[in-house]
Amino acid sequence: QSALTQPRSVSGSPGQSVTISCTGTTSDVGGYNYVSWYQQHPGKAPKLMIFDVSKRPSGVPDRFSGSKSGNTASLSISGLRAEDEADFYCSSYAGSYTLVFGGGTKLTVL
Amino acid sequence: EVQLLESGGGLVQPGGSLRLSCAASGFTYSSYAMSWVRQAPGKGLEWVSGITGSGVSTYYADSVRGRFTISRDNSKNTLYLQMNSLRAGDTAIYYCARTYTTIIWDGFDPWGQGTLVTVSS
Repeated sequence: QSALTQPRSVSGSPGQSVTISCTGTTSDVGGYNYVSWYQQHPGKAPKLMIFDVSKRPSGVPDRFSGSKSGNTASLSISGLRAEDEADFYCSSYAGSYTLVFGGGTKLTVL
Repeated sequence: EVQLLESGGGLVQPGGSLRLSCAASGFTYSSYAMSWVRQAPGKGLEWVSGITGSGVSTYYADSVRGRFTISRDNSKNTLYLQMNSLRAGDTAIYYCARTYTTIIWDGFDPWGQGTLVTVSS
C-alpha cells in the first residue's frame, strides 16, 4: 500500500488553469476507475471534489474536472479563484479491499 | 442535513487502547458504507478502515490490521473504531466519513470534524 505520487505544490494566478497529477501503478490508479480527489482547507475536514475518475458530486463547480491516462490521474481546475487555495489529495482503490491516498499537493493562488 | 460527529479521542500511553465513536444523522445510515481516515499532524491522509452498510464486511489498512477493529450499530446510527496496542505512529486526527454513493470505494463525503488521538508517555 504505497502512497500515490503527487507534486508537493502547484500554483497559478486568478483566472488561470492548473492541473495536479496523481501517479500510481497498474495495481491501483491504472487498474480501477475508483479515483477520487479531495480539497482540504487548513483546519478543515476534506471535501470530495471528484469521484470515479471524472464524476463531480452535486454542488462542485464544473471548473473542477478529473481524468485518467494509464497509471496517472489528473485534477484540472480552470478559472482559478482565491478560495481554491488549499491542499488537494487523490485516492484510489488499490485492490484487496484497500484504499490508498496520495501525499497531497498544496495549491497556491498567486 | 447530513452530519457526522466523532468522539472518544484523547491522550493514551503506548500500548494502550481507545474507542472512537461517530454518530451519524440526516441519512439512512444502514444504506451506506463508512470509513475511518486519519491525518497525522502536518501530514497527508491515510485510509484506516472501512465497513459495509450491513456491517458484514470489514476492511483494514496493513498498518492497523490486527490492532484496530471497525464496527457499527445501525440501530444507534453509530460507527466505532476500537484501537488496541497503540503506537506513537498512530497519533493523528481521526475522521469518520460516509461513502458518497452506495459503493464503498466511490469517494467519501461527508466527513466528520475529526477527533485527535495522541499516543505518548
